[in-house]
Amino acid sequence: ETGVTQTPRHLVMGMTNKKSLKCEQHLGHNAMYWYKQSAKKPLELMFVYSLEERVENNSVPSRFSPECPNSSHLFLHLHTLQPEDSALYLCASSQDRPGGVMKTQYFGPGTRLLVL
Amino acid sequence: QKEVEQNSGPLSVPEGAIASLNCTYSDRVSQSFFWYRQYSGKSPELIMSIYSNGDKEDGRFTAQLNKASQYVSLLIRDSQPSDSATYLCGVYSSASKIIFGSGTRLSIRP
Repeated sequence: ETGVTQTPRHLVMGMTNKKSLKCEQHLGHNAMYWYKQSAKKPLELMFVYSLEERVENNSVPSRFSPECPNSSHLFLHLHTLQPEDSALYLCASSQDRPGGVMKTQYFGPGTRLLVL
Repeated sequence: QKEVEQNSGPLSVPEGAIASLNCTYSDRVSQSFFWYRQYSGKSPELIMSIYSNGDKEDGRFTAQLNKASQYVSLLIRDSQPSDSATYLCGVYSSASKIIFGSGTRLSIRP
């Protein structure tokens, strides 16, 4: 148990559905992240919310939309996904300082997503 | 050139031996380096973090960092079957994000 929870743990959705993934961290961290992990590919950083800034990977399609209402909660809204979006979606958090070295990220258990 | 490179393996090591995992990175200004262990079907879990040149030891694990050579390694002493997993090298880049290598699959044979 790392202090980062994710729901749901498994999700099956059709290409026309809209769903949201939720992440919550209980560590008092100020930065949260969404990663995608596909088979035989490196972990791919999708979005970062750190020190009230949002950083995004420009290669992420617009059908993925993040929301971070506060430092403890992070959502990933999904709509009109494609089968190739099937993957493990991981949330992580860390405690960052401006201009400082980055401290460790702690990962949630992930949401296994299957798009049919 | 990939930003973070790891040998994908599998790396097979006999039980009780030292497993050596290597990682090279391209961003010279990187300051933070992480090793994660990931069992099949599970999320990554932190093994070691290192920020300064030299060695950092924690139990059976030793991380080694050489910023001049842009090289970070993880040594696992007295390897156990439970160490069999994929090991991910993560490097905090100047673009305010962690870049991960593709991971090295380690197999400890009894």
